[in-house]
Amino acid sequence: DAGVTQSPTHLIKTRGQQVTLRCSPISGHKSVSWYQQVLGQGPQFIFQYYEKEERGRGNFPDRFSARQFPNYSSELNVNALLLGDSALYLCASSPEWGESGYTFGSGTRLTVV
Amino acid sequence: QKEVEQNSGPLSVPEGAIASLNCTYSDRVSQSFFWYRQYSGKSPELIMSIYSNGDKEDGRFTAQLNKASQYVSLLIRDSQPSDSATYLCAVIQGNNRLAFGKGNQVVVIP
Repeated sequence: DAGVTQSPTHLIKTRGQQVTLRCSPISGHKSVSWYQQVLGQGPQFIFQYYEKEERGRGNFPDRFSARQFPNYSSELNVNALLLGDSALYLCASSPEWGESGYTFGSGTRLTVV
Repeated sequence: QKEVEQNSGPLSVPEGAIASLNCTYSDRVSQSFFWYRQYSGKSPELIMSIYSNGDKEDGRFTAQLNKASQYVSLLIRDSQPSDSATYLCAVIQGNNRLAFGKGNQVVVIP
């Protein structure tokens, strides 16, 4: 059974550009969460979706947006990229909302130059 | 006060020794607690979950939870070089968000 898959694995963008990151949860998992992890820090919560509805948003600017599709896959969009957006972006899925441990994908390494 | 705190600096332990990691959390209604292991350049991997007060053992790992003190710990017995990684404490808060501490680096010295 496939785990959480994220694409792309690495990405280099220029300041001001826009980026879309993609995530496919484990089959049967209905909840998808996005996290940003900068070097030396723990993952920071960005968004959580459950049954295609946004259930939580972290302390990130409106340049960050996300959505969940009917097949429970998800996209994270970041507009007007800043150098400080360079980080590892992690997607995690869980069977339900607010229960059990989350399984993480391998992440997307975003570098903004 | 941070939601999840892991204050210890890097921990160096000899091979075969016990590594002890601590974590405190601020949200009193939290009911679900996790430890993740993260190797350098990789994503976090769930290694322990605990939901009730007391100890939970899984192989060489033991998680301890004290809800009254809002304290979670992880013991790694018979530490191996392959245990060298960053260990992240995570808590599902009352708003159903999974919040992480900043992590503790463990280095096992052969």
